[in-house]
Amino acid sequence: EPEVTQTPSHQVTQMGQEVILRCVPISNHLYFYWYRQILGQKVEFLVSFYNNEISEKSEIFDDQFSVERPDGSNFTLKIRSTKLEDSAMYFCASGGLSYTQYFGPGTRLTVL
Amino acid sequence: AQSVTQPDIHITVSEGASLELRCNYSYGATPYLFWYVQSPGQGLQLLLKYFSGDTLVQGIKGFEAEFKRSQSSFNLRKPSVHWSDAAEYFCAVGDSGGGADGLTFGKGTHLIIQP
Repeated sequence: EPEVTQTPSHQVTQMGQEVILRCVPISNHLYFYWYRQILGQKVEFLVSFYNNEISEKSEIFDDQFSVERPDGSNFTLKIRSTKLEDSAMYFCASGGLSYTQYFGPGTRLTVL
Repeated sequence: AQSVTQPDIHITVSEGASLELRCNYSYGATPYLFWYVQSPGQGLQLLLKYFSGDTLVQGIKGFEAEFKRSQSSFNLRKPSVHWSDAAEYFCAVGDSGGGADGLTFGKGTHLIIQP
């Protein structure tokens, strides 16, 4: 069964550094999403991407965040200058025409 | 704005007993509703979903959920839990307007199974 994959599983970075989180969505899906889950809190929507552009973004998704689908298979989330409060689990999800979103295993980002 | 409330932060159930996890939502139109399960260190696995039609939906691992519009609820049930069901359960609501919309999640219910 096709799955969403994410790399790395854990990323440790220094405050102020740039990080790129990578995702490979399910191959025939059209919609791509990023969510985050701060430890002990609920899963929060960041951004959705469709037809090579951002479709919707939350208030959390400010100018320090960007997304890209560089090669037709990968989907990336870039955080330009990480802050301590960016420490969280970041989930990628993808969905097809059924509007059902399938999640990857997550990347745990730790900002020191 | 849509919202999801899962009133129980923790629930403890004995193995073999029945289970009901509560979920209430706030949404203006007919919502798309989902239950996801998260085992420790794992991602979110879809258990079941409701879009329209029969209000009782069946999912994986023996779970079912019932959509009750009058109560704005989408409670998850299982007749007999197994120790492997211990996990975090999230209810989520999506906009029926399009696939690009993000899901709104509840805070989750942590399920503990007693032997």
